[in-house]
Amino acid sequence: NAGVTQTPKFQVLKTGQSMTLQCAQDMNHNSMYWYRQDPGMGLRLIYYSASEGTTDKGEVPNGYNVSRLNKREFSLRLESAAPSQTSVYFCASKPGPRLAEKLFFGSGTQLSVL
Amino acid sequence: AQSVTQLGSHVSVSEGALVLLRCNYSSSVPPYLFWYVQYPNQGLQLLLKYTTGATLVKGINGFEAEFKKSETSFHLTKPSAHMSDAAEYFCAVIPLNAGGTSYGKLTFGQGTILTVHP
Repeated sequence: NAGVTQTPKFQVLKTGQSMTLQCAQDMNHNSMYWYRQDPGMGLRLIYYSASEGTTDKGEVPNGYNVSRLNKREFSLRLESAAPSQTSVYFCASKPGPRLAEKLFFGSGTQLSVL
Repeated sequence: AQSVTQLGSHVSVSEGALVLLRCNYSSSVPPYLFWYVQYPNQGLQLLLKYTTGATLVKGINGFEAEFKKSETSFHLTKPSAHMSDAAEYFCAVIPLNAGGTSYGKLTFGQGTILTVHP
């Protein structure tokens, strides 16, 4: 009964380092999302994948890249980390394209960039 | 652009008291409306949603919300707070155009942290 699994849970990077956040879901969902959560700003969409083989930019895509590796996995890459990318990152998924479907969230990755 | 505003970043209530968390949206066409809850160190979970139909929506854990078009609001309430309700609550919208199709993705409000005192 895993749902949406994110790794790692915590990470500390130095400015300029790169890393990939991993996300996998076992619910056979088509759509997957990456959000960042910052105090007082709610959650903001970074990138999303409406279906396997497609990715699109969200509200705050600069400094990030994504890969929809297969139907289960959707990774987020920081090529050259900056302090402004210190945040909590959430992966989410939902069954398909219907607007009112609920999102299923992972437990988050807390990232600090020094 | 569609926006959603939550009035009050922190709300504190006593156990057993009424919980009222406020959410307003800004669009002429009513969007789809959602409330999510985030317990400490967890991801978000859907509490309830409004798309069409009955304007009073009941969700999990005794929460409900009422869509009021005239006030562009979707406030979340619970008659009697429990200690386990302490969490951060997010209102979210999916904007719609006049034809009923979406022109944007799910947009979250800033969040309201609910504290429940014994």
